[in-house]
Amino acid sequence: GQQVMQIPQYQHVQEGEDFTTYCNSSTTLSNIQWYKQRPGGHPVFLIQLVKSGEVKKQKRLTFQFGEAKKNSSLHITATQTTDVGTYFCAGDFNKFYFGSGTKLNVKP
Amino acid sequence: NAGVTQTPKFRVLKTGQSMTLLCAQDMNHEYMYWYRQDPGMGLRLIHYSVGEGTTAKGEVPDGYNVSRLKKQNFLLGLESAAPSQTSVYFCASSYLGPQYFGPGTRLTVL
Repeated sequence: GQQVMQIPQYQHVQEGEDFTTYCNSSTTLSNIQWYKQRPGGHPVFLIQLVKSGEVKKQKRLTFQFGEAKKNSSLHITATQTTDVGTYFCAGDFNKFYFGSGTKLNVKP
Repeated sequence: NAGVTQTPKFRVLKTGQSMTLLCAQDMNHEYMYWYRQDPGMGLRLIHYSVGEGTTAKGEVPDGYNVSRLKKQNFLLGLESAAPSQTSVYFCASSYLGPQYFGPGTRLTVL
């Protein structure tokens, strides 16, 4: 079946360090979405990427969609304690398949 | 504007009992989804709906039924609950883009 693989599962960083999470699919995606879930909360939409090779930025967050539309990444520059949470990608194969998430912990 | 609401927030069931989870949205979205979230497994799609009166199976539909009689409501039913259905259930709605999630229902089946 369709799957979206996400790595790493966990990442512990010191405040100010950078962070990256990766999503990979074995088949081409029509688009990919990224979400953030704070501990005890619900997923909150961050961004949607649609075009091959697309790069979008939101302040310290940079999102990329691969040329083949099979992989994507989220990079956070200079993490802050407010970045703590789990980051999920969701691939659109006509219905959404979520990656297992990357749990980010930021030490002050 | 409440967005997406879910009731109840918490529930404990015994094996074999039935229950219905209610999701309501006030954004006039066509699409609605039910997910379950288990530790280390992300969110898995149970059922979804692309409009009033329509439903379709997701990734893990067994043991669940759904109905979308009104555009703003999406119901998830468990006819005979099993311990394997212990999870956090999230409802979401969307219209050709971002999914907006409800606060979740934490269900425990003993």
